[in-house]
Amino acid sequence: AQSVSQHNHHVILSEAASLELGCNYSYGGTVNLFWYVQYPGQHLQLLLKYFSGDPLVKGIKGFEAEFIKSKFSFNLRKPSVQWSDTAEYFCAVNAPAGSYQLTFGKGTKLSVIP
Amino acid sequence: SQTIHQWPATLVQPVGSPLSLECTVEGTSNPNLYWYRQAAGRGLQLLFYSVGIGQISSEVPQNLSASRPQDRQFILSSKKLLLSDSGFYLCASTRALNTGELFFGEGSRLTVL
Repeated sequence: AQSVSQHNHHVILSEAASLELGCNYSYGGTVNLFWYVQYPGQHLQLLLKYFSGDPLVKGIKGFEAEFIKSKFSFNLRKPSVQWSDTAEYFCAVNAPAGSYQLTFGKGTKLSVIP
Repeated sequence: SQTIHQWPATLVQPVGSPLSLECTVEGTSNPNLYWYRQAAGRGLQLLFYSVGIGQISSEVPQNLSASRPQDRQFILSSKKLLLSDSGFYLCASTRALNTGELFFGEGSRLTVL
């Protein structure tokens, strides 16, 4: 079975700091990749996705992620975080691509201090 | 976009009692439907998925079952709840994972006492 690893359980940053959340997966074939976000008291929603093409994808609210196939990674980045980015972030992998399987990582809780 | 409705939002049940959590989808037809369980620090665990009416695939052996009696209705059930069934259950829907995103409901929190 596929596995998805998120390296940090809880990240605490000050406003304006840069963010990078790691995500690695174990599947060797073609994959579709997602980052979902869950703001406090809200349901999960899509932040960004990668299906094919440019490995650097841009999502909502200034987030971006880079797919590095050789490293089986899909790290999430934001140059300057805001207090409103406080949330839990989940990496998810659809593997094999186009199948019904969507495996989530355990999530990274981000706390941004004003 | 799709809208996922789940109910009840909160449920407290005694051990050994039955369970029925319901999920309905609006804004799409013939979706793929999913039940996930979310636990703090453990991410989302896929429990069941369905690609059509009456078609259910189970990802983990457990005390729960799922049914899909209608195209946009997905039900999570148990005949006898265990303490370990406590958790936050999420229903999700997508047309296809290789062309779109997974839309989530707001979840049902189950506490088994």
